[in-house]
Amino acid sequence: AQSVAQPEDQVNVAEGNPLTVKCTYSVSGNPYLFWYVQYPNRGLQFLLKYITGDNLVKGSYGFEAEFNKSQTSFHLKKPSALVSDSALYFCAVSDRASGGSYIPTFGRGTSLIVHP
Amino acid sequence: NAGVTQTPKFQVLKTGQSMTLQCAQDMNHEYMSWYRQDPGMGLRLIHYSVGAGITDQGEVPNGYNVSRSTTEDFPLRLLSAAPSQTSVYFCASSTGDRGVNVLTFGAGSRLTVL
Repeated sequence: AQSVAQPEDQVNVAEGNPLTVKCTYSVSGNPYLFWYVQYPNRGLQFLLKYITGDNLVKGSYGFEAEFNKSQTSFHLKKPSALVSDSALYFCAVSDRASGGSYIPTFGRGTSLIVHP
Repeated sequence: NAGVTQTPKFQVLKTGQSMTLQCAQDMNHEYMSWYRQDPGMGLRLIHYSVGAGITDQGEVPNGYNVSRSTTEDFPLRLLSAAPSQTSVYFCASSTGDRGVNVLTFGAGSRLTVL
């Protein structure tokens, strides 16, 4: 069975500082990995994905994520945080393996708070 | 560019009442799904469909029914509402390419069961 862990319920960072939102995953085969963002009272929006190829994936709004197969991690990063980045962030995984579930499984979400 | 449209946005029910949450998408997506979002629980999959006429259960299907008579619509029915079904419900769709499942979400439907 596939699973995703987001070990931090909340991340606090000062505006202008780099941010990291952590995600680790477990799948039986090779993963497809995703990050989504949810602003207050809105649906989730896609940020970026890892399918194959370069381990560093760049996405929307200046976000990027690094796939680390040995550590089974896919941490979300941004070099300089903005107050407007404050939102709930979800990591998701689906399994590329034949017979694996291609239905994505979501983590519990991490609330990012960027202080002015 | 409507994307995924959910109605209603808000609903209050009494225990035992039934209702249907509507979901429609205009992107010709094969895959559609329903999630519920509860504090501290993240998103949990209720039901999903990989095409018209095909539905399957997700992680938390009890108390909910779905059908998929057309590609565009995927309604979620609550048969007899319970307070435990108080939640925010999201419908999502994608092209259904196996595994590369970038989901487009609706704005959500907030349901309160008294």
